Amino acid sequence: SQQGEEDPQALSIQEGENATMNCSYKTSINNLQWYRQNSGRGLVHLILIRSNEREKHSGRLRVTLDTSKKSSSLLITASRAADTASYFCATMTTDSWGKLQFGAGTQVVVTP
Amino acid sequence: NAGVTQTPKFQVLKTGQSMTLQCAQDMNHEYMSWYRQDPGMGLRLIHYSVGAGITDQGEVPNGYNVSRSTTEDFPLRLLSAAPSQTSVYFCASSYLRARSTDTQYFGPGTRLTVL
Repeated sequence: SQQGEEDPQALSIQEGENATMNCSYKTSINNLQWYRQNSGRGLVHLILIRSNEREKHSGRLRVTLDTSKKSSSLLITASRAADTASYFCATMTTDSWGKLQFGAGTQVVVTP
Repeated sequence: NAGVTQTPKFQVLKTGQSMTLQCAQDMNHEYMSWYRQDPGMGLRLIHYSVGAGITDQGEVPNGYNVSRSTTEDFPLRLLSAAPSQTSVYFCASSYLRARSTDTQYFGPGTRLTVL
């Protein structure tokens, strides 16, 4: 079974709206990372949040981490059509060092 | 910097054939890894390496071999291709930081079809 699971599986919003997706994981982590994948392309790193951090920002992106609930969220504010992509969370667990584990992703469609 | 490069971009094999997927990075990263991505799924780790001469298995290593003779290169070998290995393969690299990998840089992927 996968370590990280994103929710929802798919999200459709209009430009200007905010998009929120969640990631839950099972075991203790060193860090959690969010990636974006445009259709047919490789993954692009968005944000890395370490287990001792609770919130990080990067431009229009905000990531939170709640280690007590084993969950993280990614918020994209004021979405644009260019944000249309699949978003993946990936975890580096404390008992499987070197093995970055990905969830199945959230597919986001932003319509103009 | 070219970043992470992968060759070929596309490949079609017949069942039983062998081939090597190439991956190279020019960022002097210690950590390199191979993933496969199947439709509608996330990436699954095949093999990884924390430095030249050091490799280890990931989640789905069967049917694949790796070696790391230099920091820059991390080839993935399919020993005897099977239709179940039809997938998109991604190579990634990163620095190591205090026993945890840092930001992963991904290559553009190799789309492999096994008939």
